[in-house]
Amino acid sequence: DTVLTQSPALAVSPGERVTISCRASESVSTLMHWYQQKPGQQPKLLIYKASNLASGVPARFSGSGSGTDFTFTIDPVEADDIATYYCHQSWNSPPTFGGGTKLELK
Amino acid sequence: EVQLVESGGGLVQPGRSLKLSCAASGFTFSNYGMNWIRQAPGKGLEWVASISSSSSYIYYADTVKGRFTISRDNAKNTLYLQMTSLRSEDTALYYCARRVNYGGYPMDAWGQGASVTVSS
Repeated sequence: DTVLTQSPALAVSPGERVTISCRASESVSTLMHWYQQKPGQQPKLLIYKASNLASGVPARFSGSGSGTDFTFTIDPVEADDIATYYCHQSWNSPPTFGGGTKLELK
Repeated sequence: EVQLVESGGGLVQPGRSLKLSCAASGFTFSNYGMNWIRQAPGKGLEWVASISSSSSYIYYADTVKGRFTISRDNAKNTLYLQMTSLRSEDTALYYCARRVNYGGYPMDAWGQGASVTVSS
């Protein structure tokens, strides 16, 4: 299975730029997607196919990458962005998720 | 508004069975592939199973293959997950999620989840 590795946690202040990385154990082409999950809520799709903004998602969110290295950026961070962010690849079978990066306030 | 509502969760003893349902509304259910994703308490997301729009293609995670069955009834706009031979490690919140038909098949709509606890 394709293993997706994310940093477990990041501390940020509102107004800052934050970048979350996701490294795949093998190429996933550009089929990497990013989700936001707030406590007690279901995941929400933010970015699909590495860099495409999902419908209704603010332009503060962006993504980039291909192959094995991907980044997800929030610029600027708002207090409401405090959540856990997951990457998800759909190029290789089975589809897999990263372990999640928990964004915390400094 | 796209809505997915799971039901059927609960507390079940190891080795027993449980069937989850996911009622879909606000979109043409028969046009979309669907997934079950689970999340163990305090843990990350794990893909469980997928089914294509017409049920022609079905896939399972190795951890549930042979024990779980995904199915759908397009006339009733409902997705199912039949779970048998349940184990303690199946304890999780089970989400149904719609698979987008473009962009590499991400999941653009999720239900609130159905809680399954396997314990004696």
